Amino acid sequence: DVVMTQSPLSLPVTLGQSASISCRSGQSLVHSDGNTYLNWFHQRPGQSPRRLIYNVFNRDSGVPDRFSGSGSGTDFTLKISRVEAEDVGIYYCMQGTHWPLTFGGGTKVEIK
Amino acid sequence: EAQLVESGGGLVKPGGSLRLSCAASGFTFKNAWMSWVRQAPGKGLEWVGRIQSKPHGGTTDYAAPVQGRFTISRDDSKNTLYLEMNGLQTEDTAVYYCSTGLAGVWGQGTMVTVSS
Repeated sequence: DVVMTQSPLSLPVTLGQSASISCRSGQSLVHSDGNTYLNWFHQRPGQSPRRLIYNVFNRDSGVPDRFSGSGSGTDFTLKISRVEAEDVGIYYCMQGTHWPLTFGGGTKVEIK
Repeated sequence: EAQLVESGGGLVKPGGSLRLSCAASGFTFKNAWMSWVRQAPGKGLEWVGRIQSKPHGGTTDYAAPVQGRFTISRDDSKNTLYLEMNGLQTEDTAVYYCSTGLAGVWGQGTMVTVSS
């Protein structure tokens, strides 16, 4: 299975400041079809996860442009610019290139 | 708007069985490949399995921990996805979510508790 390693585990941030979460995969996520299936999710306490970013950098509908994804190969980043109170929760990366699909362990974002 | 609603969770004894359902609306279900993902209490997310659309063969894939015990199926005439769970173990205790494709849309989840 492809291991997805997120860092940091916990991320205290100040409102209005930016935050970055790293996600590294155990092998390249470039699919044979040329796409890189790396997604980012946000889960608030007691709620279902919500996908924010798909295929590395594409924002899902309704996702604020404060969220951006970047990276390639095995190294990926989610950046949140101008953090707002509603951004607290756990962020997960997920690879969809290799079966079984696997998630990172999660990064908990909280307000300082 | 695409929507998924799971049902069928509950308390079951070790070794027991349960069938979860996921009712889909707001998108062309028959063309979508679908997945089940679970989350144990206080833990992260874990893929359970997926089923392709019938035009793509309707094949299923399962994660190793549930292979041989869980079965995913679909009824395109009812826009419904199923997860048949047999030989349940305490480690299967989790919230079970259905999702579309690469998890673009999620349901609200249904809790399965395996305990004596």
